[in-house]
Formats: sequence, C-alpha cells, structure tokens
Amino acid sequence: EPEVTQTPSHQVTQMGQEVILRCVPISNHLYFYWYRQILGQKVEFLVSFYNNEISEKSEIFDDQFSVERPDGSNFTLKIRSTKLEDSAMYFCASSEFGQGEGYTFGSGTRLTVV
Amino acid sequence: GNSVTQMEGPVTLSEEAFLTINCTYTATGYPSLFWYVQYPGEGLQLLLKATKADDKGSNKGFEATYRKETTSFHLEKGSVQVSDSAVYFCALTFTGGGADGLTFGKGTHLIIQP
Repeated sequence: EPEVTQTPSHQVTQMGQEVILRCVPISNHLYFYWYRQILGQKVEFLVSFYNNEISEKSEIFDDQFSVERPDGSNFTLKIRSTKLEDSAMYFCASSEFGQGEGYTFGSGTRLTVV
Repeated sequence: GNSVTQMEGPVTLSEEAFLTINCTYTATGYPSLFWYVQYPGEGLQLLLKATKADDKGSNKGFEATYRKETTSFHLEKGSVQVSDSAVYFCALTFTGGGADGLTFGKGTHLIIQP
C-alpha cells in the first residue's frame, strides 16, 4: 500500500538553528499538508500546498516557516530559526482530492530543540 | 472558530468490553467528521468518516454517527481487542475547498488489556 515517508524520524537541533523536515508524498497525490503535535496537545494544522503554492495556512505558520516542493517528489518544511517551543512531532500528509477525505499521513518527525 | 473536544484518556478496558469515545464539535456550518487512529510508531490512519447529518461511518467494527442536534460524533465498538490499543483522534473539516485543513481533538489513548 502506498505510504507517505518522512525523514528523519527524530531530529535534535540547537535553538536558533535552521531545520528542514522532509517528506515524500504518495506519487499521484496533488495536495500536501504539514501538521504538528506538541507533546500532550492537539494535532494542529500548519499549512496546505497545492499546485506549487500555499493554499491555506494557520496562525502558527509564521515567517519562520516555509514549505517547498523542490523536485517534484519531496515536500519540505523549513524552520528558519528554531525556538524551544517548536519542539513537537511534525506530520506530513498527502491527498489525491483534498478535503480531508483521502489523507495519508506519514509516521512523523519528532523535533527536539535544545 | 472550529474546535473538537474529546474525552480525556487514557481509557483502559478489558478485551471484549464495549467502547465509547465521546467527541463533540463546535463549527460554523456543517463540517465533515472523521475518526483517525494512530498505532504505536505509525502515522495517523483514517478509521471512518461521515459527511452529513445522520450519516453513520463504520470500519473494522467501529461506528460513529453524525448527530447534528448534539454536535457529536461518538466512536463505538461492541467488543474491543488488544490490537485496538492506539490513540484515537476525532477531527473535522469543511469540504467546500480542496485544501482545507483538519481540526483535530487532543486524542484519546485507548489501552485494551487481555
């Protein structure tokens, strides 16, 4: 069964450093998403991406964050200058038709900012 | 804004017990409702969904009915198994736009004991 792959599974970074979280969505999917879950809290929507541009973003997705589909297969989330409060599990998802119906999520990247 | 409230966990049951995990929502309009499940070490998987009032979603013995009058989408299973141990997330989205993000509840950790 097709799956969404995220790398790395765990990343530790120093506060103020830039990190790039990587995702390989399912090949025929057109909609891509990033979510995050701070330990013990809700899964929160960050951003959706369609047709090579951001479709929707939440209040969390400020200027520190950016997304890119650099080569037609990868979908990346960059955090420019990490803060302690960015520590969370980050989930990538993709969908063929959007609208939450056909989401496939990756296993997540646990980001720890120290 | 939109929000989803789930019962707090962990919920611990014996095998073959009846399961209910409560979920209520607040939304402007009529969202689509979902239950996602996360098994240890894996990504979120869509368990079931309902897109309009009185719809019943079902999968793997789990059921949930979209109740507009009580703004609820409670998850039920008649006889749980150890393999059902996981974290369950209730979520909503609006299906008017293609890239709408999901609004999740906090998740309910279910533990089934043999």
